[in-house]
Amino acid sequence: SAVISQKPSRDICQRGTSLTIQCQVDSQVTMMFWYRQQPGQSLTLIATANQGSEATYESGFVIDKFPISRPNLTFSTLTVSNMSPEDSSIYLCSVDSSTGELFFGEGSRLTVL
Amino acid sequence: AQSVTQPDIHITVSEGASLELRCNYSYGATPYLFWYVQSPGQGLQLLLKYFSGDTLVQGIKGFEAEFKRSQSSFNLRKPSVHWSDAAEYFCAVGAASGTYKYIFGTGTRLKVLA
Repeated sequence: SAVISQKPSRDICQRGTSLTIQCQVDSQVTMMFWYRQQPGQSLTLIATANQGSEATYESGFVIDKFPISRPNLTFSTLTVSNMSPEDSSIYLCSVDSSTGELFFGEGSRLTVL
Repeated sequence: AQSVTQPDIHITVSEGASLELRCNYSYGATPYLFWYVQSPGQGLQLLLKYFSGDTLVQGIKGFEAEFKRSQSSFNLRKPSVHWSDAAEYFCAVGAASGTYKYIFGTGTRLKVLA
C-alpha cells in the first residue's frame, strides 16, 4: 500500500485568500485524485491529476477555483482559491493502486472564516 | 443514474454485539465494491473490497461483506464489535474497467457503547 502525506493537516484561513495543499506519495503512481468532504457529507471527486497533463475536473469544479499541479509521479498540489466559508471542508488526496483500490491521505481540514 | 445508498446515518451498538451496515448501489456496469472506515481526524482506510469471485469477502479488523447482485447490496458485518470500531464507514462503488471514478455513499456513523 502507498503512504500518502498531506500538508497542512489543518488550517484556518480568511475569506478571499488562497491555500495550497500538498500531497506526497512514497512511490510513483500514475493517477492522483483530489476529493472534498464537506462537513457531515460524503466524498466528492474534485479532479484527477496525471503527471504531464492538465488535470481533469468533475462537474461543478473548475480550474480557476481549484488549480492543481502534478510535477512528477510522487507529488501533487491542490490550491483552493479566493476562499469563502463554503470551502470549509476536508480535502483528501488519494492514489490508485495496482490492485484496483484507492489509498487516501489523512486529509487537510480547512476552515474559512 | 449511478448511486450508493447507505440508509443508516447513525448506528449505536453495545460492545460485543454484532453489527451490520447496509449499502445498496445502482450501477450500470459490473461494479467494484469497497468499504472504507474513517476514524475521527483521519483519512480513509480500506476495510475490504469485492471485484469478482466469492461473494463473501473478508477484510481487516474482523469485518466481512457479502455481495448480493440480486439485491444490489454489499452489506458490511462484524460478529462482535469492539469500542475501537467507533468511526464512520463509507461504502463505495467503482467501474470494473478501472477508471477509479468511485462513488461514495453518505456514510454511517457507528457509536459503540461500553
